[in-house]
Amino acid sequence: ETGVTQTPRHLVMGMTNKKSLKCEQHLGHNAMYWYKQSAKKPLELMFVYSLEERVENNSVPSRFSPECPNSSHLFLHLHTLQPEDSALYLCASSQEWWDNEQFFGPGTRLTVL
Amino acid sequence: DAKTTQPPSMDCAEGRAANLPCNHSTISGNEYVYWYRQIHSQGPQYIIHGLKNNETNEMASLIITEDRKSSTLILPHATLRDTAVYYCIGTTAGGYQKVTFGIGTKLQVIP
Repeated sequence: ETGVTQTPRHLVMGMTNKKSLKCEQHLGHNAMYWYKQSAKKPLELMFVYSLEERVENNSVPSRFSPECPNSSHLFLHLHTLQPEDSALYLCASSQEWWDNEQFFGPGTRLTVL
Repeated sequence: DAKTTQPPSMDCAEGRAANLPCNHSTISGNEYVYWYRQIHSQGPQYIIHGLKNNETNEMASLIITEDRKSSTLILPHATLRDTAVYYCIGTTAGGYQKVTFGIGTKLQVIP
Protein backbone atom coordinates (compact mmCIF):
# COMPACT_ATOMS: atom_id res chain seq x y z
CA GLU A 1 0.00 0.00 0.00
CA THR A 2 1.75 3.12 -1.25
CA GLY A 3 -0.89 5.71 -0.41
CA VAL A 4 -1.76 6.12 -4.08
CA THR A 5 -4.96 4.47 -5.31
CA GLN A 6 -6.22 4.06 -8.85
CA THR A 7 -9.63 3.10 -10.18
CA PRO A 8 -10.65 1.13 -12.04
CA ARG A 9 -7.95 -1.53 -11.92
CA HIS A 10 -9.07 -2.99 -15.24
CA LEU A 11 -10.93 -1.33 -18.10
CA VAL A 12 -12.06 -2.59 -21.48
CA MET A 13 -13.40 -0.02 -23.89
CA GLY A 14 -14.29 0.35 -27.52
CA MET A 15 -12.69 2.91 -29.78
CA THR A 16 -15.75 5.15 -29.68
CA ASN A 17 -16.19 5.09 -25.92
CA LYS A 18 -15.36 7.82 -23.43
CA LYS A 19 -13.99 6.76 -20.08
CA SER A 20 -11.96 8.25 -17.24
CA LEU A 21 -9.19 6.91 -15.04
CA LYS A 22 -9.01 8.18 -11.48
CA CYS A 23 -6.04 8.54 -9.17
CA GLU A 24 -6.05 9.66 -5.55
CA GLN A 25 -3.09 10.16 -3.26
CA HIS A 26 -3.31 10.26 0.54
CA LEU A 27 0.26 11.40 1.15
CA GLY A 28 -0.14 15.17 1.16
CA HIS A 29 2.06 15.46 -1.93
CA ASN A 30 1.97 18.44 -4.28
CA ALA A 31 2.91 16.71 -7.54
CA MET A 32 1.14 14.00 -9.49
CA TYR A 33 2.05 12.13 -12.66
CA TRP A 34 0.57 9.91 -15.36
CA TYR A 35 2.76 7.23 -16.96
CA LYS A 36 2.03 4.73 -19.70
CA GLN A 37 3.61 1.26 -19.76
CA SER A 38 3.10 -0.73 -22.93
CA ALA A 39 4.09 -4.37 -23.19
CA LYS A 40 7.86 -4.88 -23.45
CA LYS A 41 8.50 -1.11 -23.34
CA PRO A 42 9.85 1.22 -20.65
CA LEU A 43 7.55 3.50 -18.73
CA GLU A 44 6.69 6.67 -20.61
CA LEU A 45 5.97 9.87 -18.73
CA MET A 46 2.76 11.47 -20.04
CA PHE A 47 1.85 14.37 -17.75
CA VAL A 48 3.13 16.11 -14.64
CA TYR A 49 1.03 18.31 -12.38
CA SER A 50 2.18 20.51 -9.53
CA LEU A 51 -0.44 22.10 -7.29
CA GLU A 52 -3.07 21.52 -9.98
CA GLU A 53 -0.97 23.21 -12.67
CA ARG A 54 0.38 21.14 -15.56
CA VAL A 55 4.19 21.43 -15.72
CA GLU A 56 4.95 18.74 -18.28
CA ASN A 57 3.14 17.38 -21.30
CA ASN A 58 5.22 14.92 -23.26
CA SER A 59 3.65 15.20 -26.72
CA VAL A 60 0.71 13.06 -25.75
CA PRO A 61 -2.14 12.76 -28.31
CA SER A 62 -5.17 14.88 -27.56
CA ARG A 63 -7.34 11.79 -27.12
CA PHE A 64 -5.77 11.68 -23.64
CA SER A 65 -6.96 14.62 -21.53
CA PRO A 66 -5.70 15.04 -17.96
CA GLU A 67 -7.50 16.89 -15.20
CA CYS A 68 -6.20 17.81 -11.76
CA PRO A 69 -8.99 19.43 -9.69
CA ASN A 70 -6.87 19.49 -6.52
CA SER A 71 -3.50 18.22 -5.36
CA SER A 72 -4.96 14.91 -4.15
CA HIS A 73 -6.84 13.89 -7.28
CA LEU A 74 -5.82 13.29 -10.87
CA PHE A 75 -7.93 12.10 -13.76
CA LEU A 76 -7.13 10.90 -17.24
CA HIS A 77 -10.06 11.30 -19.62
CA LEU A 78 -10.01 8.97 -22.60
CA HIS A 79 -11.90 9.31 -25.87
CA THR A 80 -11.65 7.74 -29.31
CA LEU A 81 -8.69 5.62 -28.31
CA GLN A 82 -6.86 3.23 -30.60
CA PRO A 83 -5.96 -0.41 -29.95
CA GLU A 84 -2.29 0.59 -29.61
CA ASP A 85 -3.29 2.65 -26.57
CA SER A 86 -3.86 -0.59 -24.67
CA ALA A 87 -1.38 -0.49 -21.79
CA LEU A 88 -0.92 -0.20 -18.06
CA TYR A 89 -1.56 3.39 -16.97
CA LEU A 90 0.24 4.33 -13.80
CA CYS A 91 -0.31 7.29 -11.53
CA ALA A 92 2.40 8.55 -9.18
CA SER A 93 2.91 11.36 -6.72
CA SER A 94 5.86 13.09 -5.08
CA GLN A 95 6.28 15.77 -2.48
CA GLU A 96 7.21 18.39 -5.09
CA TRP A 97 7.48 18.25 -8.89
CA TRP A 98 11.29 18.28 -8.67
CA ASP A 99 11.35 15.37 -6.22
CA ASN A 100 12.45 12.14 -7.88
CA GLU A 101 11.23 9.89 -5.06
CA GLN A 102 7.89 9.01 -6.53
CA PHE A 103 5.14 6.84 -5.10
CA PHE A 104 3.20 4.82 -7.65
CA GLY A 105 -0.31 3.45 -7.65
CA PRO A 106 -1.11 -0.10 -8.78
CA GLY A 107 -2.12 1.01 -12.26
CA THR A 108 -5.14 0.60 -14.52
CA ARG A 109 -4.87 -2.14 -17.13
CA LEU A 110 -6.60 -0.68 -20.21
CA THR A 111 -7.65 -2.73 -23.21
CA VAL A 112 -9.00 -0.93 -26.28
CA LEU A 113 -10.97 -3.12 -28.65
CA ASP B 1 19.36 11.77 -17.47
CA ALA B 2 22.64 9.87 -17.44
CA LYS B 3 22.66 6.79 -19.66
CA THR B 4 22.67 3.64 -17.53
CA THR B 5 23.44 0.06 -18.52
CA GLN B 6 22.13 -2.95 -16.64
CA PRO B 7 22.20 -6.69 -17.37
CA PRO B 8 18.79 -7.77 -18.70
CA SER B 9 18.38 -10.60 -16.20
CA MET B 10 19.90 -12.22 -13.10
CA ASP B 11 19.13 -15.13 -10.82
CA CYS B 12 19.71 -15.25 -7.09
CA ALA B 13 19.16 -18.06 -4.59
CA GLU B 14 16.68 -17.33 -1.84
CA GLY B 15 18.41 -16.16 1.34
CA ARG B 16 21.54 -15.08 -0.47
CA ALA B 17 22.58 -11.53 -1.23
CA ALA B 18 21.47 -10.18 -4.59
CA ASN B 19 23.99 -7.81 -6.14
CA LEU B 20 22.58 -5.83 -9.05
CA PRO B 21 25.14 -3.86 -11.06
CA CYS B 22 24.63 -0.66 -12.99
CA ASN B 23 27.05 1.22 -15.22
CA HIS B 24 26.64 4.97 -15.55
CA SER B 25 29.97 6.15 -16.94
CA THR B 26 28.52 9.44 -18.27
CA ILE B 27 26.91 10.51 -15.02
CA SER B 28 27.53 14.15 -14.22
CA GLY B 29 28.60 15.57 -10.88
CA ASN B 30 25.12 16.65 -9.81
CA GLU B 31 23.28 13.52 -10.90
CA TYR B 32 22.14 11.02 -8.32
CA VAL B 33 21.70 7.29 -8.83
CA TYR B 34 18.15 6.18 -8.10
CA TRP B 35 16.90 2.63 -7.86
CA TYR B 36 13.31 1.52 -8.31
CA ARG B 37 11.80 -1.91 -8.71
CA GLN B 38 8.59 -3.15 -10.28
CA ILE B 39 7.00 -6.36 -9.17
CA HIS B 40 4.89 -8.00 -11.85
CA SER B 41 1.64 -6.12 -12.56
CA GLN B 42 2.31 -3.50 -9.90
CA GLY B 43 3.55 0.08 -10.01
CA PRO B 44 7.26 0.82 -9.54
CA GLN B 45 8.52 1.17 -5.99
CA TYR B 46 11.28 3.54 -4.92
CA ILE B 47 14.16 1.73 -3.21
CA ILE B 48 17.08 4.05 -2.57
CA HIS B 49 19.21 6.79 -4.06
CA GLY B 50 22.69 8.20 -3.56
CA LEU B 51 25.19 10.71 -4.92
CA LYS B 52 28.66 9.46 -4.02
CA ASN B 53 28.54 7.98 -0.54
CA ASN B 54 27.25 4.49 0.09
CA GLU B 55 23.69 4.44 1.34
CA THR B 56 21.65 1.92 3.32
CA ASN B 57 18.01 1.75 4.28
CA GLU B 58 15.60 -0.93 5.41
CA MET B 59 15.26 -2.30 1.90
CA ALA B 60 18.76 -2.29 0.43
CA SER B 61 22.28 -0.93 0.29
CA LEU B 62 23.71 1.15 -2.52
CA ILE B 63 27.44 1.01 -3.21
CA ILE B 64 28.76 3.68 -5.57
CA THR B 65 32.32 3.44 -6.89
CA GLU B 66 34.68 6.27 -6.09
CA ASP B 67 34.74 7.43 -9.72
CA ARG B 68 30.92 7.23 -9.76
CA LYS B 69 30.93 5.35 -13.05
CA SER B 70 29.11 2.35 -11.63
CA SER B 71 27.08 1.23 -8.66
CA THR B 72 25.66 -1.91 -7.10
CA LEU B 73 22.33 -2.38 -5.40
CA ILE B 74 22.52 -5.03 -2.71
CA LEU B 75 19.53 -6.90 -1.32
CA PRO B 76 21.18 -8.59 1.67
CA HIS B 77 18.88 -11.59 2.02
CA ALA B 78 16.79 -12.05 -1.10
CA THR B 79 13.31 -13.51 -0.74
CA LEU B 80 10.88 -14.74 -3.37
CA ARG B 81 9.02 -11.45 -2.99
CA ASP B 82 12.09 -9.63 -4.29
CA THR B 83 11.53 -11.12 -7.75
CA ALA B 84 11.01 -8.01 -9.86
CA VAL B 85 12.46 -5.73 -12.52
CA TYR B 86 15.03 -3.38 -11.01
CA TYR B 87 15.67 0.00 -12.60
CA CYS B 88 18.83 2.07 -12.16
CA ILE B 89 18.32 5.72 -13.08
CA GLY B 90 20.74 8.62 -13.16
CA THR B 91 19.02 11.93 -12.60
CA THR B 92 19.27 15.17 -10.67
CA ALA B 93 17.62 15.61 -7.31
CA GLY B 94 16.27 18.94 -6.17
CA GLY B 95 16.19 20.33 -9.67
CA TYR B 96 13.73 19.23 -12.27
CA GLN B 97 14.74 16.32 -14.45
CA LYS B 98 12.16 13.71 -15.15
CA VAL B 99 12.79 10.16 -14.05
CA THR B 100 13.39 8.06 -17.17
CA PHE B 101 12.93 4.34 -16.74
CA GLY B 102 14.90 2.00 -19.00
CA ILE B 103 14.46 -1.72 -19.47
CA GLY B 104 16.05 -2.64 -16.11
CA THR B 105 17.25 -6.00 -14.75
CA LYS B 106 14.80 -8.82 -14.25
CA LEU B 107 15.83 -10.45 -10.96
CA GLN B 108 14.53 -13.96 -10.40
CA VAL B 109 14.89 -15.25 -6.84
CA ILE B 110 15.04 -19.02 -6.89
CA PRO B 111 13.85 -21.20 -3.97
